[in-house]
Amino acid sequence: NAGVMQNPRHLVRRRGQEARLRCSPMKGHSHVYWYRQLPEEGLKFMVYLQKENIIDESGMPKERFSAEFPKEGPSILRIQQVVRGDSAAYFCASSPRRGDEQFFGPGTRLTVL
Amino acid sequence: SQKIEQNSEALNIQEGKTATLTCNYTNYSPAYLQWYRQDPGRGPVFLLLIRENEKEKRKERLKVTFDTTLKQSLFHITASQPADSATYLCALEDSSASKIIFGSGTRLSIRP
Repeated sequence: NAGVMQNPRHLVRRRGQEARLRCSPMKGHSHVYWYRQLPEEGLKFMVYLQKENIIDESGMPKERFSAEFPKEGPSILRIQQVVRGDSAAYFCASSPRRGDEQFFGPGTRLTVL
Repeated sequence: SQKIEQNSEALNIQEGKTATLTCNYTNYSPAYLQWYRQDPGRGPVFLLLIRENEKEKRKERLKVTFDTTLKQSLFHITASQPADSATYLCALEDSSASKIIFGSGTRLSIRP
């Protein structure tokens, strides 16, 4: 069984560009979570999605950030007009049911120049 | 809003000793609490989940306790090994029950 897959693993963008981060959950998992982690800091919740629905986006910045989990295909975290402060590791996790253990992907390390 | 605190940023202990990590929370009574391990450059890996009606849970050399009166969980690694060196995160379900929130982690180093 493949685990949670994220791509790209590393992404470099210049200020003002768009960043698209992809997450394919484990087979059979319909719950996806996105987290951001700054160096030497803990994981900060961003958004929780279940197929085609955003369940909780209380951790998402109000502007420039959006997320989706379409019926077919991976979940996408999109950051428009990136700024240096967006540089971080972005982790995706999936679970088969709400409240179950979460399985994390390897993360995407975003660097904004 | 609920808050999670892990006792220290870093903990250094001698190989073979028991490592004890603390997780305290406030303003909420979660239905369960989870512990994860994170190695540098990698995503967290789930270790144990303990529910509010469970006092203690064990898995090999790991033991977790959950005291809902003290609002505290203790995470023990017995007979610690250098390979146990990592950052350990506690996480609990937030009051909306729609997500879990993580503590900032304790970086554990086991010296030979």
